[in-house]
Amino acid sequence: GAGVSQTPSNKVTEKGKYVELRCDPISGHTALYWYRQSLGQGPEFLIYFQGTGAADDSGLPNDRFFAVRPEGSVSTLKIQRTERGDSAVYLCASSPGPAGNTEAFFGQGTRLTVV
Amino acid sequence: QKEVEQNSGPLSVPEGAIASLNCTYSDRGSQSFFWYRQYSGKSPELIMFIYSNGDKEDGRFTAQLNKASQYVSLLIRDSQPSDSATYLCAVASGDSNYQLIWGAGTKLIIKP
Repeated sequence: GAGVSQTPSNKVTEKGKYVELRCDPISGHTALYWYRQSLGQGPEFLIYFQGTGAADDSGLPNDRFFAVRPEGSVSTLKIQRTERGDSAVYLCASSPGPAGNTEAFFGQGTRLTVV
Repeated sequence: QKEVEQNSGPLSVPEGAIASLNCTYSDRGSQSFFWYRQYSGKSPELIMFIYSNGDKEDGRFTAQLNKASQYVSLLIRDSQPSDSATYLCAVASGDSNYQLIWGAGTKLIIKP
């Protein structure tokens, strides 16, 4: 597609459930980022992929969060045993190189609500 | 801890006036600086980036960088109601070329 695509756009889940959020980056973009954004805040870094590998996962809040990018394209963010505090908009971004050197293109986000 | 600070606003500016948005950062090693615009309920989109001290102009937008003062600003000339949005300042970490540190954003309102 022409832009970064994220699915679903909205997800409501019960506390304790498992969720998967999908990101389809712009074709050819090797760098992929997951961010989390709460109301009135800037994006909070979660994880950075360069190709297939997680180059930096230092932003993942705890071991309930995990992300993969097995073929260097689509990425999935996985959250186990969801908690109400996980409610936020999860943003995916891709760029042709590291985001400090070039423009990052964002998807429309997945709004996760844990009830 | 590396930080990027912005006034949360809202900053209210009359249509046609100049809007001035400011950002300070703590990481002296940072080399690249970005302004993203985010409309309500939408995702951020890049407005401008700047690497060198001084001014960089692109249409109605001018980014200004002062590394000695650790200060970056965005000026919007001839402000339009469509400029009403939250403006996010992002600073590349001096330790890496991929990690962006984000401010919380300044909400700008252009009054017709």
